[in-house]
Amino acid sequence: GENVEQHPSTLSVQEGDSAVIKCTYSDSASNYFPWYKQELGKRPQLIIDIRSNVGEKKDQRIAVTLNKTAKHFSLHITETQPEDSAVYFCAASIAGGGFKTIFGAGTRLFVKA
Amino acid sequence: NAGVTQTPKFRVLKTGQSMTLLCAQDMNHEYMYWYRQDPGMGLRLIHYSVGEGTTAKGEVPDGYNVSRLKKQNFLLGLESAAPSQTSVYFCASRTGGQEQYFGPGTRLTVT
Repeated sequence: GENVEQHPSTLSVQEGDSAVIKCTYSDSASNYFPWYKQELGKRPQLIIDIRSNVGEKKDQRIAVTLNKTAKHFSLHITETQPEDSAVYFCAASIAGGGFKTIFGAGTRLFVKA
Repeated sequence: NAGVTQTPKFRVLKTGQSMTLLCAQDMNHEYMYWYRQDPGMGLRLIHYSVGEGTTAKGEVPDGYNVSRLKKQNFLLGLESAAPSQTSVYFCASRTGGQEQYFGPGTRLTVT
């Protein structure tokens, strides 16, 4: 089955710096890659997603890139702010078969003011 | 719209007790999912459903059962709770290849 690995597990950056989180997936049939942000005690919230027919997607300070050949995808946050501090999860999903989504283990991001 | 709701929010069980977690969604979504979240392990899929009357196993189904008798509800049952099932449980729903919407979670402790 699908396996998603996420790195790093913890990331600390200075306010205004960029943060990059990387994920790899194992099943080449995966075609939908969402990223979720989870604040302490809250539910995961989708922040950006990308489909396998797209190499890059940007939404203000957040961007995601996908390399299908290498089975890598990454989240880039620019001009980080203290409110970006949270746990971020990458995930991979396969269309069909119930759109099962497999999550990475998460990255705890600390943005220091 | 309430979105995805879960009951209860918190529960403490003794080993061997049983309970049912209820997930309800008012968005007419076909697909519903149950996950558990443990520290350092992300969200792991327990069971899921692709429509009313259907269920399927996820990554970690052992010790759990589910039912989807109505499209809007997805029930997760623990027949004989074990300390290893202490976790935060999230329900989610979606339509096709679109965004998953998560419920607020249920914090379960088994002593």
